[in-house]
Amino acid sequence: AQTIHQWPVAEIKAVGSPLSLGCTIKGKSSPNLYWYWQATGGTLQQLFYSITVGQVESVVQLNLSASRPKDDQFILSTEKLLLSHSGFYLCACWTDQAPLFGEGTRLSVL
Amino acid sequence: TQTVSQSDAHVTVFEGDSVELRCNYSYGGSIYLSWYIQHHGRGLQFLLKYYSGNPVVQGVNGFEAEFSKSDSSFHLRKASVHWSDSAVYFCAVRPNNNRIFFGDGTQLVVKP
Repeated sequence: AQTIHQWPVAEIKAVGSPLSLGCTIKGKSSPNLYWYWQATGGTLQQLFYSITVGQVESVVQLNLSASRPKDDQFILSTEKLLLSHSGFYLCACWTDQAPLFGEGTRLSVL
Repeated sequence: TQTVSQSDAHVTVFEGDSVELRCNYSYGGSIYLSWYIQHHGRGLQFLLKYYSGNPVVQGVNGFEAEFSKSDSSFHLRKASVHWSDSAVYFCAVRPNNNRIFFGDGTQLVVKP
């Protein structure tokens, strides 16, 4: 069975500081991977997706970037956080005709 | 604009009641459909999915959903809800590309 591990579970960061969020997938080779952002109590906004190592497509950038350094890893980052980056970040993997989600990372930017 | 619409932002029922959460979409062609539950502060947990075959699909915890091509719908149902079913429910649609679109969610409140 596939599993998705996101790290960290939660972050509190200062405006202007850098950020790196990670996602690791186990149990599936060459997965399609996705990053989503969810404002508190809000809808899910797809940010990026990747179908293979080294390839990332941007859907909505929000001053963020993503990278796929390994087949099983998807990284979301920025060099300079904004207040508007606060929220819940979810990584997902396409598996067996539906997306499988990680437990998410809660980000608070102060 | 292609959309996923969950027409009810909030639904309140009593424990033991039946419930239907509505999902309509505007994408054509072959699509993947799924439903998720999100408890407060948690990730999205998979409930069920549909791509082809029997239009009524069974999911976890007594949930089922019915696909209707003519109505462009994939409504989620449960015959008898429990207080622990209180959560936000999301409908997801993947057309024949690499985008996955979600509805805005339905907040289900189950009163004792």
